[in-house]
Amino acid sequence: DADVTQTPRNRITKTGKRIMLECSQTKGHDRMYWYRQDPGLGLRLIYYSFDVKDINKGEISDGYSVSRQAQAKFSLSLESAIPNQTALYFCATSAARGLAGVVDTQYFGPGTRLTVL
Amino acid sequence: AQSVTQLGSHVSVSEGALVLLRCNYSSSVPPYLFWYVQYPNQGLQLLLKYTSAATLVKGINGFEAEFKKSETSFHLTKPSAHMSDAAEYFCAVTEAGTASKLTFGTGTRLQVTL
Repeated sequence: DADVTQTPRNRITKTGKRIMLECSQTKGHDRMYWYRQDPGLGLRLIYYSFDVKDINKGEISDGYSVSRQAQAKFSLSLESAIPNQTALYFCATSAARGLAGVVDTQYFGPGTRLTVL
Repeated sequence: AQSVTQLGSHVSVSEGALVLLRCNYSSSVPPYLFWYVQYPNQGLQLLLKYTSAATLVKGINGFEAEFKKSETSFHLTKPSAHMSDAAEYFCAVTEAGTASKLTFGTGTRLQVTL
């Protein structure tokens, strides 16, 4: 079984609809992240969470919200989808070792391809 | 602020030829650098990472990268390309104290031809 799973894998929706993308992990990691990938732009950070009570905005959080329901679950919502939110969305996780200067590897899910018409 | 530049959005090499994918970074403090690979219809997989230990880092699938502070570079190489190396490659940077937030380059698509 995959360590980081995302549902759905593909979604087509219409402008104005509310959409939720879900991410679950079995790695036991504390930190979770949401990115979007657009052709020619690489991956950009939307939100990140260090634990259930700690949620932070990334560089492109406008139009998105998140919920950390449990250590293992981190959902991304588009309250009112618009066409320029059409992209590939990735969830990632990393451990928090608590050591100063230690940077942990992020592990990525398979992605959700979202199309907003 | 940290940033990454990947020169060349598309690189094509012949099978058996050297692979060189370029990455230059900008960071105000010693960086941590990563290379990820994305195969078609898949998520990102870590190839290798530099975390201030050895400057020559060996990764999976025969790839390696060398951290050169004087050139602010972290180029990815593989001596002999294989057809299975065709994928998109991303360089990423983070800094200690930034909560492990990664800043990605725009990616380089590697094509391997016969």
